[in-house]
Amino acid sequence: EAEVAQSPRYKITEKSQAVAFWCDPISGHATLYWYRQILGQGPELLVQFQDESVVDDSQLPKDRFSAERLKGVDSTLKIQPAELGDSAMYLCASSFGYNEQFFGPGTRLTVL
Amino acid sequence: RKEVEQDPGPFNVPEGATVAFNCTYSNSASQSFFWYRQDCRKEPKLLMSVYSSGNEDGRFTAQLNRASQYISLLIRDSKLSDSATYLCVVKGGNTPLVFGKGTRLSVIA
Repeated sequence: EAEVAQSPRYKITEKSQAVAFWCDPISGHATLYWYRQILGQGPELLVQFQDESVVDDSQLPKDRFSAERLKGVDSTLKIQPAELGDSAMYLCASSFGYNEQFFGPGTRLTVL
Repeated sequence: RKEVEQDPGPFNVPEGATVAFNCTYSNSASQSFFWYRQDCRKEPKLLMSVYSSGNEDGRFTAQLNRASQYISLLIRDSKLSDSATYLCVVKGGNTPLVFGKGTRLSVIA
């Protein structure tokens, strides 16, 4: 069964450092999403791509977060510099159009 | 008011019990509704979509009440494996999914 791949699964970093997360969506899924999930909360959308274009990044803290999907396939989410409050699970999801979203296993970030 | 509100629980129920969760949403223009299941430290997975006429999938029944702006999930004959967090999810036309905080269910032997 096709799955969304994410790496790394876990990342520990110190505040002010840069971190990057990678996501490879299910083949053929043009829509890709990055979510942040803080413990005890539901996932919150950070950015949505349609192919290589950003559709919605209204909730992305652009002073420190950036996301790209240069060839419209895999995607990278970067945080620079990381802050203590960025500790969370970062989930990538993909969908065919606006249908069911399939989530990857996530990257659990801890900022010390 | 939060866009999607759920009782966080936990709901602790014995095996075989019937349990129901409700979720309210604030955006009357919402068009699509879902229940996702999330196991501890895992990713969310779609449990079922919620249709206006209500729908059933085995032991799970979902219902939508547009007038009162709430959706519900009923689980019959609870199994230990049903223990998880259940996320209520709402979507507008071209707007992103909006997740509730989730309701935690523990089914006890």
